[in-house]
Amino acid sequence: GAVVSQHPSRVICKSGTSVKIECRSLDFQATTMFWYRQFPKQSLMLMATSNEGSKATYEQGVEKDKFLINHASLTLSTLTVTSAHPEDSSFYICSALRLTSPSYNEQFFGPGTRLTVL
Amino acid sequence: ELKVEQNPLFLSMQEGKNYTIYCNYSTTSDRLYWYRQDPGKSLESLFVLLSNGAVKQEGRLMASLDTKARLSTLHITAAVHDLSATYFCAVGGSGTYKYIFGTGTRLKVLA
Repeated sequence: GAVVSQHPSRVICKSGTSVKIECRSLDFQATTMFWYRQFPKQSLMLMATSNEGSKATYEQGVEKDKFLINHASLTLSTLTVTSAHPEDSSFYICSALRLTSPSYNEQFFGPGTRLTVL
Repeated sequence: ELKVEQNPLFLSMQEGKNYTIYCNYSTTSDRLYWYRQDPGKSLESLFVLLSNGAVKQEGRLMASLDTKARLSTLHITAAVHDLSATYFCAVGGSGTYKYIFGTGTRLKVLA
């Protein structure tokens, strides 16, 4: 299979603090990972594409200085929410891209991290 | 810009009934995915559709893809309560590994 983990699964923090979320591909290497945000009863919104060894690519409207992404190895990407505020409270889901066949890649999703900012 | 729409947004149905969820997308793509999401959980992969005319079935769910019409359907046969969840389609962008997710369909199957 293709297993992706996230840590922590839940985090509660005070306004103004920074929170780091880890995304790991456990049984495959992933040069590309993605970060999504999901508000209650809404769809998933792509925040950024994380590329191993290079800068992340952010979607329009996503503040790169607020959501810092680091993809330091082929199995780990981290998302740091800096100076978090209550409006950053959300469900954050990562995915890792794996080569499923010689000509096809598929994203495999992590279990998500629920962030609550007080 | 690729846009993906699903309908209906909400669906309440009786057990034993059949229904179809529709996923329309705005630009060319040959990759479409269906996911299930339970409350508080992440995504569970249901189907991967990679070519025009692709049809896949698993249990009471069947998915199809018509790339010419830019339409995918998820058909539910003889619904049971355990199928209650939110269903998302996602479309692979052309020339990119990104997925664009549909709006989601919240399904409630009533006993």
